[in-house]
Amino acid sequence: SYALTQPPSVSVVPGQTARITCGGNNIGSKGVHWYQQKPGQAPVLVVYDDRDRPSGIPERFSGSNSGNTATLTISRVEAGDEADYYCQVWDSSSLELFGGGTKLTVL
Amino acid sequence: EVQLLESGGGLVQPGGSLRLSCAASGFTFSTYGMSWVRQAPGKGLEWVSGISSRGDTTYYADSVKGRVTLSRDNSKNTLYLQMNSLKGDDTAVYYCAKSVGAVVAGRAMDVWGQGTTVTVSS
Repeated sequence: SYALTQPPSVSVVPGQTARITCGGNNIGSKGVHWYQQKPGQAPVLVVYDDRDRPSGIPERFSGSNSGNTATLTISRVEAGDEADYYCQVWDSSSLELFGGGTKLTVL
Repeated sequence: EVQLLESGGGLVQPGGSLRLSCAASGFTFSTYGMSWVRQAPGKGLEWVSGISSRGDTTYYADSVKGRVTLSRDNSKNTLYLQMNSLKGDDTAVYYCAKSVGAVVAGRAMDVWGQGTTVTVSS
């Protein structure tokens, strides 16, 4: 079965850039989606199809995907970006799959 | 306003059954695929099941296959998840989510409900 690997935590100072990775075998051949989840709230889609942003999501959120790693980049990080972030892909054997999640801490 | 409202959660004994519902409003329900995603206490997101817009294609995670049935009534704008033979591992918040397209395979989920809590315990 297919597996996705995310770092458990990422820390960043306000104003700096946070990069959250999602590793998987040849993940570059798959479409990757990213979700933000704040405590006690439902997930929110922040990037879909590797690099597209839904309406209402700031341009500070961007995505890339190549080889064995997909990356969610958050530029000019704000305190309000502190949350858990999950990547998601579709695989023919595992079907819909989420990464384990990364807790973004804004120092 | 686009909205999904889950209901039907609660406390159930191991081996019991529950039917979750998800009422959709603010969009043309019949043209979008739908999914259920759950989150156990303190854990990450786990996809449970998905269904195409017309209801002719369904997918299930291995963890629930054979115990869960996903269906939809497009005339009532409602999604259903029938869960049988429930186990402690099924304890979670269950979210209903809308796909960005008519199918669910490989598509993002752009609208989520607030979730309904299922607790399996004796």
